[in-house]
Amino acid sequence: QQPVQSPQAVILREGEDAVINCSSSKALYSVHWYRQKHGEAPVFLMILLKGGEQKGHDKISASFNEKKQQSSLYLTASQLSYSGTYFCGTESNTGFQKLVFGTGTRLLVSP
Amino acid sequence: NAGVTQTPKFQVLKTGQSMTLQCAQDMNHNSMYWYRQDPGMGLRLIYYSASEGTTDKGEVPNGYNVSRLNKREFSLRLESAAPSQTSVYFCATGQESSYNSPLHFGNGTRLTVT
Repeated sequence: QQPVQSPQAVILREGEDAVINCSSSKALYSVHWYRQKHGEAPVFLMILLKGGEQKGHDKISASFNEKKQQSSLYLTASQLSYSGTYFCGTESNTGFQKLVFGTGTRLLVSP
Repeated sequence: NAGVTQTPKFQVLKTGQSMTLQCAQDMNHNSMYWYRQDPGMGLRLIYYSASEGTTDKGEVPNGYNVSRLNKREFSLRLESAAPSQTSVYFCATGQESSYNSPLHFGNGTRLTVT
């Protein structure tokens, strides 16, 4: 069952912040985040593991609440280059990596 | 240093025709995957291969077959294409466990079935 992402779309002005949420009905072992620009392949952003700490690099960070089976991606002081569709991929410790992706959140950052 | 290479980039088929999508990686990864991406649906797993010689079904395997030819190559075959298989297909690779390693995607094959 696909995780649910919210919001479906968001429009920001450059410099504004955004939060993208990913929620699953299954117990999760890990959550991946990817960004995809139009016409391109998804590109890895970060992985969060059960029991692990919040991750981040530059002005993009994420958290993972394993009890609530939720993850959130935080984009701080957004840049034009942040535009794209963000996907979370969840893994439920099936014994093998089988990511189930959410339907995506479209982010548009305008000048 | 190509990473994950998919061929062809674009393809148009008529209903009932067959074709094979090719994927090759030079990352020495054990695991390979085929995903399809449709508007509003995200990425859905078709088939995957945990290692050379093994394949297994994902979420949406109907109408497809796969072959893990060797460690580098993983192909996806449509035996009798249908309009519902119009999609963008992505091949991805990963280390044996994705618990702490990312997936690496190819640039996709855009398939239209008329």
